[in-house]
Amino acid sequence: DAKTTQPPSMDCAEGRAANLPCNHSTISGNEYVYWYRQIHSQGPQYIIHGLKNNETNEMASLIITEDRKSSTLILPHATLRDTAVYYCIAGAETDKLIFGTGTRLQVFP
Amino acid sequence: GEEVAQTPKHLVRGEGQKAKLYCAPIKGHSYVFWYQQVLKNEFKFLISFQNENVFDETGMPKERFSAKCLPNSPCSLEIQATKLEDSAVYFCASSQLGATNEKLFFGSGTQLSVL
Repeated sequence: DAKTTQPPSMDCAEGRAANLPCNHSTISGNEYVYWYRQIHSQGPQYIIHGLKNNETNEMASLIITEDRKSSTLILPHATLRDTAVYYCIAGAETDKLIFGTGTRLQVFP
Repeated sequence: GEEVAQTPKHLVRGEGQKAKLYCAPIKGHSYVFWYQQVLKNEFKFLISFQNENVFDETGMPKERFSAKCLPNSPCSLEIQATKLEDSAVYFCASSQLGATNEKLFFGSGTQLSVL
């Protein structure tokens, strides 16, 4: 797996966009970028993943730079329920995901 | 079903006792993954299955941990002679075709407390 670097914590005001960065400078050409989150002590929840192109679904958008060395997860209108730890994972080593330490996002009223 | 079902939610064992955790993957999913999360820290990969076959067991402690996925039965993770350090939340996940370019669906976990 490519190593990822994420800020340990971020704050966001409710209703504003939350932009969570991730660096994965050693990612190789065929490795996907995945985002999961863990709300409180629940099981991780899949958010989105992509290879080269930007992706959008009902939860979020994923912007991957052209050189693929970094990406940003965008929650367009953060709510209090989006408070969670967000994990960026680059690659699936031997077909398994290796989680890092993630970013703790706190959404405040 | 449409959810990964893990049982029990909580399990308390005295040191040295056996612990057995269960995971029913989503119907139609061929892959099952087990992870261990100690004190809300990083997730440690333990083992994965493709149907009833072990796919990757590189994270499994060799001596006391074992796991199975048998046809028509929930998958199981068993810890013989539990130690205090085994206290953690154990998460199971399933997917249709592995982890690459796929979504993993996680269960709500089993909280194991070893006293």
